[in-house]
Amino acid sequence: GAVVSQHPSRVICKSGTSVKIECRSLDFQATTMFWYRQFPKKSLMLMATSNEGSKATYEQGVEKDKFLINHASLTLSTLTVTSAHPEDSSFYICSARGGQGAGTNQPQHFGDGTRLSIL
Amino acid sequence: DAKTTQPPSMDCAEGRAANLPCNHSTISGNEYVYWYRQIHSQGPQYIIHGLKNNETNEMASLIITEDRKSSTLILPHATLRDTAVYYCIVRVTGTYKYIFGTGTRLKVLA
Repeated sequence: GAVVSQHPSRVICKSGTSVKIECRSLDFQATTMFWYRQFPKKSLMLMATSNEGSKATYEQGVEKDKFLINHASLTLSTLTVTSAHPEDSSFYICSARGGQGAGTNQPQHFGDGTRLSIL
Repeated sequence: DAKTTQPPSMDCAEGRAANLPCNHSTISGNEYVYWYRQIHSQGPQYIIHGLKNNETNEMASLIITEDRKSSTLILPHATLRDTAVYYCIVRVTGTYKYIFGTGTRLKVLA
């Protein structure tokens, strides 16, 4: 159980292109999803928290107009990197957690990441 | 800032127990400790979590000290496939957010 699917796993695009990454919880309803970014040999850096049906909350220093997040259903959140440039090249990872109330301490479950390369 | 500190790297012989320590001295009374590992170019994989009692599952055991200021993840019989970066995480107080520290890079040696 608790499978999170992320798509695509790898994308290579030209500079100026917008890229959409999907994150799906396959066997549970994800009330909250998270988006992270990871540079080579570095740890994961939280970008934003996404709650179903409401606007995402971005961490300090993350441009919300550059990284558009939509969480339209309990099983899907998307991250769109708008007008991507080479400096946006990175490994993007989503996670999801579900439930409220008695399950508030349940862990996040992560997708396998999307490697974005902007030429 | 991450609320946990871990040694940057450790080696372990294949078949032996791997004991990975984590310090979380500022943990509050109702916060859990979560452990994950990340194998190269994949997303983090959940291992185990606990509050104050020791926990065991099919992957590992988690030993939490009585004062809850530190914990140890134990992989009882490490294999080469356990080579990964291991992260110990305590959530940001009052939120569901994780702030990842640098983790411990475990190398299992044949």
